[in-house]
Amino acid sequence: GAVVSQHPSRVICKSGTSVKIECRSLDFQATTMFWYRQFPKQSLMLMATSNEGSKATYEQGVEKDKFLINHASLTLSTLTVTSAHPEDSSFYICSARDLIGGPTTYEQYFGPGTRLTVT
Amino acid sequence: AQKVTQAQTEISVVEKEDVTLDCVYETRDTTYYLFWYKQPPSGELVFLIRRNSFDEQNEISGRYSWNFQKSTSSFNFTITASQVVDSAVYFCALRPYNNNDMRFGAGTRLTVKP
Repeated sequence: GAVVSQHPSRVICKSGTSVKIECRSLDFQATTMFWYRQFPKQSLMLMATSNEGSKATYEQGVEKDKFLINHASLTLSTLTVTSAHPEDSSFYICSARDLIGGPTTYEQYFGPGTRLTVT
Repeated sequence: AQKVTQAQTEISVVEKEDVTLDCVYETRDTTYYLFWYKQPPSGELVFLIRRNSFDEQNEISGRYSWNFQKSTSSFNFTITASQVVDSAVYFCALRPYNNNDMRFGAGTRLTVKP
């Protein structure tokens, strides 16, 4: 199956700093990538959907100025948590969609996640 | 609106027992996909199965089996002869046929004791 990577896998940063998380589709082109957040012992919540070359669509309650998403190429999307605070500490998971076969048959692949700790 | 309910927050069984994880969903869409994922302590989501709404055949894969009942909007997952390595959080998810909106249930934490 297709592989999605994330970097870094873990990051610790100080409150007030910004952190960038990369998501890459390694062996397929992903016109659409998704960013999820998972708090401890909770489910995955979709934060935003990004389409290559256009602005991301954010879910209700997610601050677009705080969580900057850039999907500049068909294989890379980045999530930047700006001015991070301890409450932003979470597990961030990206997902990429492979459009081969048409929009009703696409598969969605998940990255291994990035654990962010803000101190 | 879409919703996925996994009523069992935590389940604990002893190795070799069979265990069923429940999933009930709500959707207004007539066509959709249902999924099960496993999330071990490492955090990475492991894809287990995808089922589309017009295929109600049950599926068996080794010790895993899935029972899709459209009449009751349920997509239950059974592990037969559980093993310690099955310990993980299991998520059920729903996605409409032609858009991106994948909704996850709250997850069920399965602990298999030796």
